[in-house]
Amino acid sequence: DTEVTQTPKHLVMGMTNKKSLKCEQHMGHRAMYWYKQKAKKPPELMFVYSYEKLSINESVPSRFSPECPNSSLLNLHLHALQPEDSALYLCASSLKGYGSPLHFGNGTRLTVT
Amino acid sequence: AQSVTQPDIHITVSEGASLELRCNYSYGATPYLFWYVQSPGQGLQLLLKYFSGDTLVQGIKGFEAEFKRSQSSFNLRKPSVHWSDAAEYFCAVGRAGGSEKLVFGKGTKLTVNP
Repeated sequence: DTEVTQTPKHLVMGMTNKKSLKCEQHMGHRAMYWYKQKAKKPPELMFVYSYEKLSINESVPSRFSPECPNSSLLNLHLHALQPEDSALYLCASSLKGYGSPLHFGNGTRLTVT
Repeated sequence: AQSVTQPDIHITVSEGASLELRCNYSYGATPYLFWYVQSPGQGLQLLLKYFSGDTLVQGIKGFEAEFKRSQSSFNLRKPSVHWSDAAEYFCAVGRAGGSEKLVFGKGTKLTVNP
């Protein structure tokens, strides 16, 4: 069982679609993360929110837009994606940011057609 | 900048055999070190972490790891592997007192033969 919940589990979208990935945690963690993971590769950091403010953007293309409505929720808005954006998108949270272990969700498997 | 090297891309062991997965890091000060495990189609699960203190740390599922500053290593061990341990293992390093960024190694895939 994971304490970080991601929805949907699978998503197929066309290149002109707009969709959103959702992530929720109720552990009182104050840092939340989006990672992208391609097959047989380690996770790559995309964004970090710390105390609901964007603290790290790893030069991610603007077709990915993160949002942190409150300390428990994290969204990733997707628009005009490319087939190479197909990947497993992982959400994670940690108690207070640096030094705190990450707790990962099970991810959303995204396919862009 | 910190970096992590996992020299073994793929390791195969027999069930019941001992296991050691290697991890070397590059960082100027004392890092935070982690081992995560990922089963197919799943997220990453924390096995254990090292922040400071005792250099031998115990984790879940019978795993342990030893921090060796002189060798810049944080190897993961298990005395007797179970078939359910087959998965991808990632070592990661974080910067004490620094940003939230965690750097992952490329991972080691573990196959367990019956």
